[in-house]
Amino acid sequence: DAGVTQSPTHLIKTRGQQVTLRCSPKSGHDTVSWYQQALGQGPQFIFQYYEEEERQRGNFPDRFSGHQFPNYSSELNVNALLLGDSALYLCASSLLQGSYSNQPQHFGDGTRLSIL
Amino acid sequence: SQQGEEDPQALSIQEGENATMNCSYKTSINNLQWYRQNSGRGLVHLILIRSNEREKHSGRLRVTLDTSKKSSSLLITASRAADTASYFCATDTGANSKLTFGKGITLSVRP
Repeated sequence: DAGVTQSPTHLIKTRGQQVTLRCSPKSGHDTVSWYQQALGQGPQFIFQYYEEEERQRGNFPDRFSGHQFPNYSSELNVNALLLGDSALYLCASSLLQGSYSNQPQHFGDGTRLSIL
Repeated sequence: SQQGEEDPQALSIQEGENATMNCSYKTSINNLQWYRQNSGRGLVHLILIRSNEREKHSGRLRVTLDTSKKSSSLLITASRAADTASYFCATDTGANSKLTFGKGITLSVRP
């Protein structure tokens, strides 16, 4: 039973570039959430996707966008990269449809993004 | 913004001792969760406690929740060197909605 997988594991970009990060949820999950974790900080919620729609969004600029595909996998896109976007980007999946509330989220190992 | 604030920020103990970590939060919650993160890796879910529960156990873990004080504690008994990691509390205010994390506690267990 595969857990949450993210790719790539590491990425180096320069300021102004664009990046796409990918996530495959845990088998049986239908909801994907993305978090940004700066060094020494807790993860910050970016957005959550369910049924291919953005369900919730955190306090992040429009440079951050996402997509969910029919197979529940998801992408995070960041445009016009800034030095401050350097962080560990975490994807988490959970089951929303047909489930009761109070479900834990399952996290991938993240993508380490470095901006030069 | 951070909802949860963990205390202490860092904790160093000897193997075999118990470790207690505290978390406070600001708004009403649906549930509170504790996660562990080993250096540079993803988060591992440890335990979830619902807002109508007061205490929960899982193996060597014991979590309490006091909604009147908006606080939670995580107790790890008989700690092991492998418990060395960062620990985060996270609150869920809706139905499987976003998690709001604290800054985390760094636990070091000395062999």
